[in-house]
Amino acid sequence: TQLLEQSPQFLSIQEGENLTVYCNSSSVFSSLQWYRQEPGEGPVLLVTVVTGGEVKKLKRLTFQFGDARKDSSLHITAAQPGDTGLYLCAGPRRRGNKLVFGAGTILRVKS
Amino acid sequence: NAGVTQTPKFQVLKTGQSMTLQCAQDMNHEYMSWYRQDPGMGLRLIHYSVGAGITDQGEVPNGYNVSRSTTEDFPLRLLSAAPSQTSVYFCASSYSIRVDRGGSEQYFGPGTRLTVT
Repeated sequence: TQLLEQSPQFLSIQEGENLTVYCNSSSVFSSLQWYRQEPGEGPVLLVTVVTGGEVKKLKRLTFQFGDARKDSSLHITAAQPGDTGLYLCAGPRRRGNKLVFGAGTILRVKS
Repeated sequence: NAGVTQTPKFQVLKTGQSMTLQCAQDMNHEYMSWYRQDPGMGLRLIHYSVGAGITDQGEVPNGYNVSRSTTEDFPLRLLSAAPSQTSVYFCASSYSIRVDRGGSEQYFGPGTRLTVT
């Protein structure tokens, strides 16, 4: 079974701090996506990583795909209250045209 | 473009009642899907469709039916509501019908919060 485990489940930090959240699996994924979801809304795609070892930057957010394509991380530099939300990772199953999602990391950035 | 729209936003049902959650997209996407979101469990796929007339089961299909008569619409039917179906339901669409290929960004609707008593 291809599962995605995210850690930590919950993170509460002060504005300006740095943080890293993780998405891990015992299975290889052909690609991984990261979404952010704000309360009362649907998730919105942040990035897709497709190559082992790939690093992508989106302003203060840095995404990395593990060399073995079994894990990914999201690092936020100098977090701001606007970064508050649920961060979800997702990947395609090997069989069937389906995406599997991790349970997510709830991030709260206090001003 | 309105993107992905869902109605209603909120719904309360009694056990045993049936209802249809509506989903529509105006982006001409072939791939559409329904997820439920429960605390601590992320998004779980209920059913999906790769085009009009083609549907398939996801991870948690029991108690739900879908149909896809047009590219734009993908309604989700609850046949006989149960308290275990209390959840937030999201509809999503994607340009690519292969979720493991480029262009597989999922566009989500705003969700329907369903409570079954």
